[in-house]
Amino acid sequence: AQSVTQLGSHVSVSEGALVLLRCNYSSSVPPYLFWYVQYPNQGLQLLLKYTSAATLVKGINGFEAEFKKSETSFHLTKPSAHMSDAAEYFCAVSQSGGYNKLIFGAGTRLAVHP
Amino acid sequence: DAGVIQSPRHEVTEMGQEVTLRCKPISGHDYLFWYRQTMMRGLELLIYFNNNVPIDDSGMPEDRFSAKMPNASFSTLKIQPSEPRDSAVYFCASSLARDNTEAFFGQGTRLTVV
Repeated sequence: AQSVTQLGSHVSVSEGALVLLRCNYSSSVPPYLFWYVQYPNQGLQLLLKYTSAATLVKGINGFEAEFKKSETSFHLTKPSAHMSDAAEYFCAVSQSGGYNKLIFGAGTRLAVHP
Repeated sequence: DAGVIQSPRHEVTEMGQEVTLRCKPISGHDYLFWYRQTMMRGLELLIYFNNNVPIDDSGMPEDRFSAKMPNASFSTLKIQPSEPRDSAVYFCASSLARDNTEAFFGQGTRLTVV
């Protein structure tokens, strides 16, 4: 069975500081990996996804994630946090075979302070 | 396309009443998913459909929950009778039938059962 673990339910950074949100996955087959962002009272929006074409994936709003098979990780980073990045971030995994269903981690709430 | 459309955005109902949540997926999408989000349990996949057929309903918590997809452009999630512990945000999402494709989420329905 597939699963996702997000380390740290809350992360707080200063504006301009590096953002690092951690995600580790468990999958018996090559996974498909995603990061979503949820702003207050909104649905989930895709930030980026791992496509197997490249291990370093760039997404919207300056975010990127690196797939590391040896570490079963897909951590999300952004070099410089902006106040507007404050939101909840979800890592998700799905598998090949047309199932398409996403299994989500518990989420990490990012706070950005001045 | 207007995206995934859910209605109502907010629903407050009394315990024991029937509640029906509605979803219009993105036109052309083959998969439709119902998720529930709570503080305690995070994002849970309740059920998903492929070409209007329910594929996996193992996430549906109890027989009080039922979901239908009578056609490609409409789905309902019904709770009868509702209970206070059903209070949550319910999301509908849709996706294409391709590997490594993301799901597109609606804005959610915030259900409060009093």
